[in-house]
Amino acid sequence: DTGVSQNPRHKITKRGQNVTFRCDPISEHNRLYWYRQTLGQGPEFLTYFQNEAQLEKSRLLSDRFSAERPKGSFSTLEIQRTEQGDSAMYLCASSFGSPLHFGNGTRLTVT
Amino acid sequence: DQQVKQNSPSLSVQEGRISILNCDYTNSMFDYFLWYKKYPAEGPTFLISISSIKDKNEDGRFTVFLNKSAKHLSLHIVPSQPGDSAVYFCAAIDQGGSEKLVFGKGTKLTVNP
Repeated sequence: DTGVSQNPRHKITKRGQNVTFRCDPISEHNRLYWYRQTLGQGPEFLTYFQNEAQLEKSRLLSDRFSAERPKGSFSTLEIQRTEQGDSAMYLCASSFGSPLHFGNGTRLTVT
Repeated sequence: DQQVKQNSPSLSVQEGRISILNCDYTNSMFDYFLWYKKYPAEGPTFLISISSIKDKNEDGRFTVFLNKSAKHLSLHIVPSQPGDSAVYFCAAIDQGGSEKLVFGKGTKLTVNP
């Protein structure tokens, strides 16, 4: 299966710790997106890349969040000094045009 | 501001009957609309889409209708099957502007055998 792969699937961390998630997109896809989903809500856009360039960032992405996509392949999303409000499902998606193909997400729990 | 609204959090239908899921949007710049299906512990899966130049698109049991003047779209599933039970998200994009999909909050569909 060559779908979008996200690791880890689950992450439990203590408030104040840093966490990093990884996303491996579908290989021929040039666009990569990060979304966040909380209970009862739809996915909310965080940021997206076209190849290695980060083209848009949501105002939801505070200074504690940083995303990279070196060499236009996999991407990482880092959250520094985690807060309980960061607890959510973090979804990665990739595309070449439309539609977006999503991974199964990383569920973050901040205790 | 919720640009894409799904006002029914849940819907329950009998197997074999029609399921109709509704979605409203406020941004008149949206020109492409998609429906995603999501099972628990999985990411959203693309189901069907429609461009703003069309008013209907069919794919097997799934049909999406778009009413641009009302800024309303709906997803029809006929006949509904128990395996269709999932959360359905409506999403929209302004292809000439921001490249981000904007999602509604979802409607949980339960198809009873």
